[in-house]
Amino acid sequence: GENVEQHPSTLSVQEGDSAVIKCTYSDSASNYFPWYKQELGKRPQLIIDIRSNVGEKKDQRIAVTLNKTAKHFSLHITETQPEDSAVYFCAASIDDYKLSFGAGTTVTVRA
Amino acid sequence: DADVTQTPRNRITKTGKRIMLECSQTKGHDRMYWYRQDPGLGLRLIYYSFDVKDINKGEISDGYSVSRQAQAKFSLSLESAIPNQTALYFCATSEPGQGMSEAFFGQGTRLTVV
Repeated sequence: GENVEQHPSTLSVQEGDSAVIKCTYSDSASNYFPWYKQELGKRPQLIIDIRSNVGEKKDQRIAVTLNKTAKHFSLHITETQPEDSAVYFCAASIDDYKLSFGAGTTVTVRA
Repeated sequence: DADVTQTPRNRITKTGKRIMLECSQTKGHDRMYWYRQDPGLGLRLIYYSFDVKDINKGEISDGYSVSRQAQAKFSLSLESAIPNQTALYFCATSEPGQGMSEAFFGQGTRLTVV
């Protein structure tokens, strides 16, 4: 089955700086890559996703890049704000089939 | 608003007891999932169902069973709970194939087995 690895496990950034989270996946057939944000005590919620026919996607301060050859994808958060503090999960799936999640990255934005 | 609802939200049970976690959804989605969240391990898939007659094991199904009573209901059972099943459990739904692949999660059930 699909194996998704996520790094780093924790990330502390100064407010206003950028944060980057990286994930690798094992199954070259995976073609859907979502990112979920989980605030403390809350449920995970989708923040951005990308499909394998696209190399990059942006939504305001967040962006995701995908390198199919290397089988890795990354989440970029620019101009970080305190409300960006949360746990972020990457995931991968084939044709929207069951998602395989990374272990998560705890992001702390220091004021 | 259409939502995914889990009951109970918190539960403490004793080793060896049978426990059922329930999930209901008003989103009209066919696909439902049960995930387990442990610190440092992310979300791991226990079971999933693509319709009422379709049940599939995920990566960590041992010690668990499920029932899809209706399109809107998907229950997870621990037949004989053990302490290492202490975790946060999430139900989720999705309806892919229409350009919308988002998984919608319930609020979670925090289960403690003592």
